Amino acid sequence: QVQLQESGPGLVKPSETLSLTCAVSGYSISSGYYWAWIRQPPGKGLEWIGSIYHSGSTYYNPSLKSRVTISVDTSKNQFSLKLTSVTAADTAVYYCARGPQFSYSDYWGQGTLVTVSS
Amino acid sequence: EIVLTQSPGTLSLSPGERATLSCRASQSVSSSYLAWYQQKPGQAPRLLIYGASSRATGIPDRFSGSGSGTDFTLTISRLEPEDFAVYYCQQYGSSLLNTFGQGTKLEIK
Repeated sequence: QVQLQESGPGLVKPSETLSLTCAVSGYSISSGYYWAWIRQPPGKGLEWIGSIYHSGSTYYNPSLKSRVTISVDTSKNQFSLKLTSVTAADTAVYYCARGPQFSYSDYWGQGTLVTVSS
Repeated sequence: EIVLTQSPGTLSLSPGERATLSCRASQSVSSSYLAWYQQKPGQAPRLLIYGASSRATGIPDRFSGSGSGTDFTLTISRLEPEDFAVYYCQQYGSSLLNTFGQGTKLEIK
């Protein structure tokens, strides 16, 4: 059974860097697929942040591209998100997900709420 | 950037009824790249449909997807109590950008 689990600080100060990790079990990242980060502000809809292919190729939402880095660590079977210069607008539940194709995600983590506040 | 507009914003129906949810794209979308998700409060989204009409693993056959070009539809043939949730469509366009619709809330009438 494929499982994904997000981890990282639940509170980040404005202008600092948000860092999250997604641990994957039940599937080896190096075997393939796309690995995505998606967020959802409280009470709002879903926003795709970016994806990384198992080979390391990355794809980012243009609206966030200047602030986002997604990386993969196949030795630990996990992938990570860094979002710099955060503001209150970055407060959201952050999900990691697996995509057999770039265009959809079949397994999702439970999500982690990150609040940006001083 | 392709914008997805879902309608209606809220749909009020009773168990046993048929639900029809719409997702309209601002430009033509390849059917291969249109997906639907269900999200219940406090839970992650659940993949229902990919490639516009293929049901994901474990999804009941009362859920079906159709459409092409700019107009796509998610149909729930006979609503069960557990189907009341928010539904999102997602598309991938040629600009290597995934976008979601704003969601349709399906509520019990």
